[in-house]
Amino acid sequence: LAKTTQPISMDSYEGQEVNITCSHNNIATNDYITWYQQFPSQGPRFIIQGYKTKVTNEVASLFIPADRKSSTLSLPRVSLSDTAVYYCLVGDHRGSGNTGKLIFGQGTTLQVKP
Amino acid sequence: ETGVTQTPRHLVMGMTNKKSLKCEQHLGHNAMYWYKQSAKKPLELMFVYSLEERVENNSVPSRFSPECPNSSHLFLHLHTLQPEDSALYLCASSQVKGYNEQFFGPGTRLTVL
Repeated sequence: LAKTTQPISMDSYEGQEVNITCSHNNIATNDYITWYQQFPSQGPRFIIQGYKTKVTNEVASLFIPADRKSSTLSLPRVSLSDTAVYYCLVGDHRGSGNTGKLIFGQGTTLQVKP
Repeated sequence: ETGVTQTPRHLVMGMTNKKSLKCEQHLGHNAMYWYKQSAKKPLELMFVYSLEERVENNSVPSRFSPECPNSSHLFLHLHTLQPEDSALYLCASSQVKGYNEQFFGPGTRLTVL
């Protein structure tokens, strides 16, 4: 699985848009980019997944440039409840020979202030 | 939390005790996972089960013994643990093994005295 690099921490204020960028220079052709959110003492929660260009759901948007060597998770108008750790993962999601080994890095701790 | 449930939510045990963690998924998934999350460390994958068959053992000490009696249930049997085994133990499931969208339970906070 490709290694990812993301900032250790970020601060924001309520109502702002937050963009968290993840670098994955060694991403493979079959790899997808997945983001998870984790609150303290809880399990991670899947947020969004994408392969290229832009993906949007009710929670976030994911921007992936043409070279796919990085990706940006965008959280619109954050609230205090968005304070959490955000993980960027890269891997082939199609199963078959893959044993499902998600590799979580340190993640980005987002602190939303009032 | 009707997707993946874990019991107990908190557990304190001595080093000579034997205890078990239970995980149940109500999503009809075929793959289940155990992860360990120690303080200020990334999540570490411990075991992967696919259709009740263990397909990954990530160099976990034998004092941790998983069991998957059916595709909905996963256990982690604990015996003679060490204080450094204190951590949050998370169970997850996915539609099939290898799928990046894994659904996690709330975890069991384990303290070994």
